[in-house]
Formats: sequence, structure tokens, C-alpha cells
Amino acid sequence: DADVTQTPRNRITKTGKRIMLECSQTKGHDRMYWYRQDPGLGLRLIYYSFDVKDINKGEISDGYSVSRQAQAKFSLSLESAIPNQTALYFCATSDSGTGEETQYFGPGTRLLVL
Amino acid sequence: AQKITQTQPGMFVQEKEAVTLDCTYDTSDQSYGLFWYKQPSSGEMIFLIYQGSYDEQNATEGRYSLNFQKARKSANLVISASQLGDSAMYFCAMRGNSNDYKLSFGAGTTVTVRA
Repeated sequence: DADVTQTPRNRITKTGKRIMLECSQTKGHDRMYWYRQDPGLGLRLIYYSFDVKDINKGEISDGYSVSRQAQAKFSLSLESAIPNQTALYFCATSDSGTGEETQYFGPGTRLLVL
Repeated sequence: AQKITQTQPGMFVQEKEAVTLDCTYDTSDQSYGLFWYKQPSSGEMIFLIYQGSYDEQNATEGRYSLNFQKARKSANLVISASQLGDSAMYFCAMRGNSNDYKLSFGAGTTVTVRA
């Protein structure tokens, strides 16, 4: 079984709809992240959380919100989806107990906003 | 702020040969980490190898090795004995000392392995 899972894997929605992307991990990591990937722009950080009570905005948080329901679960919401939020979304986790803090990514969610 | 530059948009390599993917970085942080990830056409991001800025030895992980030249601020990935399954996009990434621990990614290099 995958250590970091994301649901759904693919989603088509309409402008103005609220949607939630979910991320779960069994790695026991304390830190979790949400990134989006756009062609030619690489990955950009949306939100990050260092523990259940710690939520922080990344570089492109406008139009998004998150919830850390448990150490293992971190959800990303688009309150009112717009077409330029069409992208590939990744959840990632890392362990603050290691010096390298390698981030391990989920399989991604492909989101299309019409 | 960190900046990662990958100057090779695409490369072709013959099966069983080695290939070097270039990565240069720019940072004012003294402590940082360098990472390479592989993204096959299926889309997932797969961690390959890590190099810490204070590591004196170049990192190796199976067929992957990282040629770290700190003074030149380069962190090239070498894939030895290429396999057809190595065809993918490869991203160099860096984590600096910022509080968010975010990774800054390069634009990526597409590798195509020919039989």
C-alpha cells in the first residue's frame, strides 16, 4: 500500500463549485504540504502544516484553504473553483526528526475546472 | 530566496549508457538540502536522492549518483546504465533555511531512453 495517498486521483468540476482534495499518510510524518504543478512553472507551495495545530500559508494560498484533521490527514479545499486552478495537485510529507527532511509525495490529483 | 536552474529541457540517451542531468542553484543560505525527483508520464513524484550542503561525500543511491560541486553551486544527477524505465521528467529541488521548509524546483529535464 502507498505511504501517501490522495483522493480523488482525477476530478472535473465547474467554475464556482467547492471541492475538497484529501491526503492521508501512513509514514508517521509530522509535516505535510500541498503543492500545485503547472506546465513550465514547476511545483509551487500552497499550504503547509508542521503539526495538527500549525497551519501556514505558502506562496500561492489565495483561493485555497486547508484542514489538518489528524496527524495523518491534510485536506485542501477550493472554496469557489476557477479555471486557472486547473493543475496537478500534490500532497507531500516529511519527518522533522531527520536532518534531511526529505519530502515524499502522493500520486497527485489532476483537477480540471471548466 | 532560492533559485534552481535546469538548462536541458530534453535529452536522449541510449539504453545501458550513462546520462548526466545538470542542475545549478543559487542561495545565500549556509545550510541547505538538494534533492532529485523523477516524474514518469503517470505523474507521480518519486524521490531519488538527497545531498546535504555539509556532506563531503557525493550521494549515491543504486544507479543514481549526485555530483555535488559546492563552490560551483551545482548538483548534477548521474544515471548509470540507463534503462527504458528511466524515461521520465527529472526535477532538481532545493530546501533552504526558510521556516516553511518548502522545496524550490527547477523546470525539469525530460529524459528519453532509446533501445
